[in-house]
Order: sequence, then C-alpha cells, then structure tokens
Amino acid sequence: AQKITQTQPGMFVQEKEAVTLDCTYDTSDPSYGLFWYKQPSSGEMIFLIYQGSYDQQNATEGRYSLNFQKARKSANLVISASQLGDSAMYFCAMREGYDQFYFGTGTSLTVIP
Amino acid sequence: NAGVTQTPKFQVLKTGQSMTLQCAQDMNHNSMYWYRQDPGMGLRLIYYSASEGTTDKGEVPNGYNVSRLNKREFSLRLESAAPSQTSVYFCASSEGTSVWETQYFGPGTRLLVL
Repeated sequence: AQKITQTQPGMFVQEKEAVTLDCTYDTSDPSYGLFWYKQPSSGEMIFLIYQGSYDQQNATEGRYSLNFQKARKSANLVISASQLGDSAMYFCAMREGYDQFYFGTGTSLTVIP
Repeated sequence: NAGVTQTPKFQVLKTGQSMTLQCAQDMNHNSMYWYRQDPGMGLRLIYYSASEGTTDKGEVPNGYNVSRLNKREFSLRLESAAPSQTSVYFCASSEGTSVWETQYFGPGTRLLVL
C-alpha cells in the first residue's frame, strides 16, 4: 500500500485565490510527522510546513496551513492568496521511525494571472 | 549559511563508469540522506546515515555505496553506472532521526547515464 497518496497530478488556481492540495497517508504508528515541500522549476526542494501526529492544532506558516484530519489520515496543504511564484511541484511526505521517510508523487500547481 | 551543498550539479556518464557524488552540510546536523527522484515516483531513499560513523540502506540501495566521511560530509558512489541510474540525486540532512526532524535538501545532481 502507498504510504503517501497525492491524487491531484495537476492543479490550477487564479492568482490571489486560495488552493488546497490533497494528501492522504497510511500508517499504524501513533508517532509520525507530516511535511510539505515545494519544488520549483529550478529543482531544489524547499521545506514549507510540518505537522506532528500529536499536535492538536493545525500548523501554519505564513500563507501556508496544513489541514490535519487525523481520523481521515489526511494532511492537506492550503495556500492562501496564491502568487505567481507559487507555481511549482508540491510534495507531501511522512516520517515514521528513524529510517522511514516517504514522499508522495507530487502535485503540480500552476497559478494563473 | 550554505545549508546543504552538492557537487557536481550535472554529470554525464557512460555505462560502466564510476563516480562519486559529494554532499556537505554546515548546519551541524547528525543525520544525512541520499535520495533519487525519478519522474512520477517522488523521492526514494537510497542510503542514510543516522549519525557519524553509521550508514544504512534505504528503499533502493542496489548499485550504490556511501561513505560518511565526517559529520559534515556524506558521499554517494556509483561503482558501475547503468542507464537505470539516470536520475536526479538529492542529499538531505536533519538534526536527528526523530519523527519531528525536518530534512533540508541540497540543490540536487542531475545524472545522465548513456
């Protein structure tokens, strides 16, 4: 079974609108971390936001927030007020245990002027 | 701070050639990782080093070897390159191996094996 599933290969959003990128995960471990990374066309992987399995509140970092629904095993990334520079690939990842770090296949986001 | 640096940025090899990808971090992190990224497959862990002096296999270790030279440096070696190893290689580091530790990535090395 896939550990991380991102079902949206490509998404479009109008500039200044909000967009939600979906991520579901599979684990039976009570302790895990969820991460989102951005990969622009230049290729580097940029850390955006983190959510721990025991965190009660959803994580927020500037225009990024993580909609964490533990019972549904989902960790969706919400980007508010999209900007042209947000156009990139976005990867959801999960860490369980010291040597287990899983990435999804990514969602390509295009922001339309 | 440079963060995580990788050399080279690009490399073209012929089948059977060997090469070493270099990675260094200046964040005083204990743990370092090597991933490969193939189209449509996300990132897959090749090898990791939880701390200086230790290395372990990840999901796709075949055809690779690693060396944790010191706390800062972690190299990946391809002894006999194959076309299936054409990929983008990322090095990453984290302070430790706990589930809350964020991994920070280098800029990547694009490798083409002919």
